[in-house]
Amino acid sequence: EVQLVESGGGLVQPGGSLRLSCAASGFTFNTYWMTWVRQAPGKGLEWVANIKGDGSKNNYLDSVKGRFTISRDNAINALYLQMTSLRAEDTAVYYCARDLNYRDRSGAFYDVFDIWGQGTVVTVSS
Amino acid sequence: AIQMTQSPSSLSASVGDRVTITCRASQGIRNDLGWYQQRPGKAPNLLIYASSILQSGVPSRFSGSGSGTDFTLTISSLQPEDFAVYYCLQDYSNPRTFGQGTKVEIK
Repeated sequence: EVQLVESGGGLVQPGGSLRLSCAASGFTFNTYWMTWVRQAPGKGLEWVANIKGDGSKNNYLDSVKGRFTISRDNAINALYLQMTSLRAEDTAVYYCARDLNYRDRSGAFYDVFDIWGQGTVVTVSS
Repeated sequence: AIQMTQSPSSLSASVGDRVTITCRASQGIRNDLGWYQQRPGKAPNLLIYASSILQSGVPSRFSGSGSGTDFTLTISSLQPEDFAVYYCLQDYSNPRTFGQGTKVEIK
């Protein structure tokens, strides 16, 4: 079964750090881009970061650049989000998602977040 | 960053109604747009990608169209399980950006 399971969320004080993990199973992990998406309480979805299958490229939301680091360990099928200098506005449910990265006949690529984890809750509060 | 604006923010409809949600990009994004459904307390679920390609397993009553800056998601005949929040997502450039969401409620 294709599955993503997040862990590592919790309560942390402002300025603190936390590392989220996403365990993947049921597919060839190193061939897929992976993405983190978050959702603040009662708010909409917000894309956070993504990383290429071999880990050679990544991109970030402007508000987390320099504070968050996305990484992966393909040997153990794991995706990570290291979060530092946490702020109250980082409080959210964090989801990891697989990107099927569909390529059409013209060669254009499209994000296709086809598999999602159940989410892990991060609360930044004193 | 590209801004995505959905309308309406919410709507009330009855089972069997035809529902249309629009998403407008602040600049042209070709057809680099997806639609996601989120039910309360659940992770999002992919409906459509590349503006109009239906994800495998998604009912055919869902359809998408548009290119450039204006896009639509249509539900041809609303079913009870379709009451949820719908989001568009542009994947034309980084950072990717979602619309603010459209909540579809029961009338």
